[in-house]
Order: sequence, then structure tokens, then C-alpha cells
Amino acid sequence: QVQLVESGGGVVQPGGSLKLSCAASGFTFSSFAVNWVRQSPGKGLEWLAFIRFDGYTQKYADSVKGRFTISRDNSKNMVFLQMNSLRVEDSGIYFCAKDNTPRWDHDAFDIWGQGTVVSVSS
Amino acid sequence: DIQMTQSPSTLSASVGDRVSITCRTSQSIDSWLAWYQQKPGKAPKLLIYKASSLQGGVPSRFSGSGSGTEFTLSISSLQPDDFATYYCQQYNSNYPWTFGQGTKVEIK
Repeated sequence: QVQLVESGGGVVQPGGSLKLSCAASGFTFSSFAVNWVRQSPGKGLEWLAFIRFDGYTQKYADSVKGRFTISRDNSKNMVFLQMNSLRVEDSGIYFCAKDNTPRWDHDAFDIWGQGTVVSVSS
Repeated sequence: DIQMTQSPSTLSASVGDRVSITCRTSQSIDSWLAWYQQKPGKAPKLLIYKASSLQGGVPSRFSGSGSGTEFTLSISSLQPDDFATYYCQQYNSNYPWTFGQGTKVEIK
């Protein structure tokens, strides 16, 4: 069964750090790019970060550039999102989502995890 | 950045109705557009990719059309399971990718 499972969310103070993980199974992980998408409370979806299937290219939304880092370990079928200098407005549900097409670099997201909740509050 | 304008924000309809949702982009994205369905407490589900290609397992009552800057998601005969929020997303080769604001389809 193709699936993604996020973990690592929690409550953190402004200025703090958190590292999210996304565990993949049921498909050839090393062939697909992965993204992180955020949904803030009561709001829509915001794409945050992309990492290419081989890990050689990363892209970020301006809202997180310089604070968040996406990485992957293809030997463990894992993607990570290191989040530093967290702000109240970073609160929300964080989803990882894989690209629909193997070895491609701009694609729709066909499989999403269930999400992990991040709350930034003092 | 490419701006997305999705309309309407809310749509009230009855079972069996044909409904359409529109997404406009601030610049041409060819056909690099996807549609997702999201239900409360769940992750989004891919319905349509490349503007008009139906994702596997998605009922044929869903269809997508358009190219350039104007796109439409249509549901030919609304079913009880279709009451949800729908989002468009552009994934042009230029980052960042952006989502529409969402359309909530509710029971009339």
C-alpha cells in the first residue's frame, strides 16, 4: 500500500526549532520528488518546499526560505523538514506529498500523508 | 509569483446537480494545473492533473478543462460523497507552486 506518514509535530515557542519526518512505503521512493505543504487553521493550502527524487535540488516558498530545510534519505525512504526560527504564523498542519510522475520536477501531488500538527505559541 | 483566483468560494447545490468551479491564474501555466478534493480532517485527494487528466480511481463524473489562464472543474451529477472543499493548484516549472483559496461545496 502506497503511503506517507508524517511525525514530529508538537508545540514549540516562537524562535524554537522542530524537525518533521515523512516515512514512505509501498513505492520506489528514490524515483519520486517529495513536497511539504502547510494548512493553517481554517485556511487553505500553502506549498512550502520541494526536494527532487535524488535530493540534488531543493526549492522553498519565500515564507520559509532561510528558516526551513528539506532533506531526504533514500536509503531509509524518509524525507525531513528542519524548521528553525519558528513564528506563530508557522502553526498549522504539515503534510508531505509525493509527485505523481517518477523522475520529474514539477508535478501534481498524488499521495499525501495524514499530516502532523505544529503549534507555535508562547 | 503566480496568483490564483478560484471561484466561487462557496457553492450550494443539490444531489444530482451539475456544478462547475473556476480557477484563473495571473499568467499562463499551459496545462500545469491540478484539482484536489479535501474533506474535514483529511488530506487533500488528487482528482485531476495536467488540467484534464483524471487520476486513477476517481469517478468519471469529475472532469477538468482549460489551458493558459482559465480552468474549470466540473462534476456532472453531484453525489453525497462530493460535498467537500475543492482546491486548484498550479505547478508550472517556475516556483513557487500556489493553490487557489478553495471552494466549499455544500448541500443546498
